[in-house]
Amino acid sequence: KAGVTQTPRYLIKTRGQQVTLSCSPISGHRSVSWYQQTPGQGLQFLFEYFSETQRNKGNFPGRFSGRQFSNSRSEMNVSTLELGDSALYLCASSLDRFPYNEQFFGPGTRLTVL
Amino acid sequence: GESVGLHLPTLSVQEGDNSIINCAYSNSASDYFIWYKQESGKGPQFIIDIRSNMDKRQGQRVTVLLNKTVKHLSLQIAATQPGDSAVYFCAENPNYGGATNKLIFGTGTLLAVQP
Repeated sequence: KAGVTQTPRYLIKTRGQQVTLSCSPISGHRSVSWYQQTPGQGLQFLFEYFSETQRNKGNFPGRFSGRQFSNSRSEMNVSTLELGDSALYLCASSLDRFPYNEQFFGPGTRLTVL
Repeated sequence: GESVGLHLPTLSVQEGDNSIINCAYSNSASDYFIWYKQESGKGPQFIIDIRSNMDKRQGQRVTVLLNKTVKHLSLQIAATQPGDSAVYFCAENPNYGGATNKLIFGTGTLLAVQP
């Protein structure tokens, strides 16, 4: 079974631009979560989607948004990029067997903002 | 605030020794805990999980212990191998009484295995 895939793997953008990252979950997984990983803040929860609906959201500004499609694939968008948005963005998918869900992570997208 | 912290940022062990990585969590309502391993350039990899109604769970060469009284988690790795060198994160699912997969991660411990 294929794992979680994320595209692209690397991105370089300049301040003020916007970016869209994509995540394809493991087949059959309906829950997709996004995390930001930085050396200073560690792994921080961005948002979670289930059945095309945002189910939970972390403490990030409105410049960070996401969506989920009917095939469970998810995208996240960051508008008006800032230098501090440079990070590894990780996507995780789950079968959603509450309350004990094993989440599988993708390799991440490394975003560098110049 | 919400936090899951680690006592030791770096742990250095000899190959063949046992390793113990500790973690403190702050949300007493959390009912599910997970340990992840992250190697350089990769996403976190699931190692083992434990439910709040358990004190101990064993996997292959790994054991997780949960002490709810003091809100403490530990990961024990038996016969540590060079391939175990990585950053280890503990994570908790606070659940907040509703359905969510949100995880709160600890700061991570770097495990360095010396040959």
